[in-house]
Amino acid sequence: GQQVMQIPQYQHVQEGEDFTTYCNSSTTLSNIQWYKQRPGGHPVFLIQLVKSGEVKKQKRLTFQFGEAKKNSSLHITATQTTDVGTYFCAAAPNYGQNFVFGPGTRLSVLP
Amino acid sequence: EPEVTQTPSHQVTQMGQEVILRCVPISNHLYFYWYRQILGQKVEFLVSFYNNEISEKSEIFDDQFSVERPDGSNFTLKIRSTKLEDSAMYFCASSERLAGTTGELFFGEGSRLTVL
Repeated sequence: GQQVMQIPQYQHVQEGEDFTTYCNSSTTLSNIQWYKQRPGGHPVFLIQLVKSGEVKKQKRLTFQFGEAKKNSSLHITATQTTDVGTYFCAAAPNYGQNFVFGPGTRLSVLP
Repeated sequence: EPEVTQTPSHQVTQMGQEVILRCVPISNHLYFYWYRQILGQKVEFLVSFYNNEISEKSEIFDDQFSVERPDGSNFTLKIRSTKLEDSAMYFCASSERLAGTTGELFFGEGSRLTVL
């Protein structure tokens, strides 16, 4: 079956530093979504990427979909303590199939 | 803002007992899902439901699990005979469009199940 991997598993940064998490798939993806889960909370949708090489920005967050549609990244510029949480990518192996979530990257931001 | 609501927030049960977790999806959504998350681990897909029937299920969703939409608003997950390894947070989600297309998932706050 499809494997969705994320690295790193954990990341500790000082407030103000940048952060990047990477999502990799063993197969070509039709699209990919990113979710954020605060500690003790539920996953919240951030963004969806569909096109090869697509780049989308949300304030300090930059999302990218690889040219081969097998990988994606989420970059946070100048992290804040409100960025703390686990970031999951979720991928549908084929259009119309349900999402498989990656294992997540847990971000800690030290003030 | 519309939201997915789940009850109970926490349930403790004895191994072998039946459990029903309840969810009220967002009213105009057509697709409903159950996911589970064992503490500190990833979010695992269990089942999706559309037009009053299961549209997809994972290997986890075996004969011990069932889903139902008993009325126009509730969506339930039943575990017939709970096992210790069923202990997890169970998230209900809904979407306006199928999640594997362009639909974003809206998650409830979860029901924590503890099996003793």
